[in-house]
Amino acid sequence: AQKITQTQPGMFVQEKEAVTLDCTYDTSDPSYGLFWYKQPSSGEMIFLIYQGSYDQQNATEGRYSLNFQKARKSANLVISASQLGDSAMYFCAMRVLNFGNEKLTFGTGTRLTIIP
Amino acid sequence: ETGVTQSPTHLIKTRGQQVTLRCSSQSGHNTVSWYQQALGQGPQFIFQYYREEENGRGNFPPRFSGLQFPNYSSELNVNALELDDSALYLCASSSGADGANVLTFGAGSRLTVL
Repeated sequence: AQKITQTQPGMFVQEKEAVTLDCTYDTSDPSYGLFWYKQPSSGEMIFLIYQGSYDQQNATEGRYSLNFQKARKSANLVISASQLGDSAMYFCAMRVLNFGNEKLTFGTGTRLTIIP
Repeated sequence: ETGVTQSPTHLIKTRGQQVTLRCSSQSGHNTVSWYQQALGQGPQFIFQYYREEENGRGNFPPRFSGLQFPNYSSELNVNALELDDSALYLCASSSGADGANVLTFGAGSRLTVL
């Protein structure tokens, strides 16, 4: 079974500062993918970034980067130069990479608030 | 390309009733999955459909059922509603491929059971 743990229920960050959202995971499968999604108050889950378990380099997507430490089973999201529009819930999720398996296991999320 | 659309956006039912939620998948996607997100929680996987067949299910009772149609749209049906069924129901579609196969989510249907 897979498990995702997000230990920060809420975070407050000054605008333009960088922020790190923590995520640890547990799985016995060697092939898996890690995802971060943003959920604004509208409810839609917006994909941010992906890291595969065999990827050698940390993933980056614009202001988002994923600090992947496989030995520690952590996949922290780093947002650089935060903006007011970054205020939202953030969820870490994982999926075992078997063909046809679309099941994502989510953490409980972190509510990020950007302060002007 | 159009994204994932869900209907209705909000609905209120009473305990014991039945509800049907609908989802149109993103163009080019053949796999649909449904998630239940209770207030303050992360989404929980209900089931997924591929080529009109259920091919994966989470820890939900049989009164949660679904359909996928030839155009890849989908329905989630919940019978004998209970108060704990109050949640945001999210539909997600994907191409069903392996690797970095990103699920595209809709904005959800918020169900309140009284």
